[in-house]
Amino acid sequence: DTAVSQTPKYLVTQMGNDKSIKCEQNLGHDTMYWYKQDSKKFLKIMFSYNNKELIINETVPNRFSPKSPDKAHLNLHINSLELGDSAVYFCASSQGAKDSPLHFGNGTRLTVT
Amino acid sequence: GENVEQHPSTLSVQEGDSAVIKCTYSDSASNYFPWYKQELGKRPQLIIDIRSNVGEKKDQRIAVTLNKTAKHFSLHITETQPEDSAVYFCAASITSGTYKYIFGTGTRLKVLA
Repeated sequence: DTAVSQTPKYLVTQMGNDKSIKCEQNLGHDTMYWYKQDSKKFLKIMFSYNNKELIINETVPNRFSPKSPDKAHLNLHINSLELGDSAVYFCASSQGAKDSPLHFGNGTRLTVT
Repeated sequence: GENVEQHPSTLSVQEGDSAVIKCTYSDSASNYFPWYKQELGKRPQLIIDIRSNVGEKKDQRIAVTLNKTAKHFSLHITETQPEDSAVYFCAASITSGTYKYIFGTGTRLKVLA
């Protein structure tokens, strides 16, 4: 029954590897997001999709590639992982882009060694 | 550029006392201001929000005030309890180009029993 679910919860990998994080929402929302939370707890938006269309790309390195097969899913693929990519990645969704609260997934803690 | 400042970064209060967290935003077109609570190891969850046509909103022990002229908004928690201990984030909607939320840097609240 989780509204926004993301997998995996934990991801430990070595530098240079490629990994993916999956996100699904069952709220019927049309906008989905990826946020990165670093060790200082800062929450920074990475991407936003509205009805499968990319609407925000916050100067994230092109090693990060989001993919939205439909409006209920937004996956994040990361190539050539670097130490600085270690963080917690949160998927979120909202209804419409304006004026409505974000619903966050439980986060994926990525550790790059 | 777009910015939300949040103070203090840490706050310790005795159980039963009040806690106030303040935020300042830069985009005068911002019209939606949510507050999120993040417990350790968990996802941010919406606790209260306010829209720009309202100056104050209250929900039991929590209240939010908004001063659009000064571009300030604040979270007030009364009769604090140990379970209020968490990191609190303010956010403001930003409407330049595409619609998104900018988060404050977070306040770690500790309620001492």
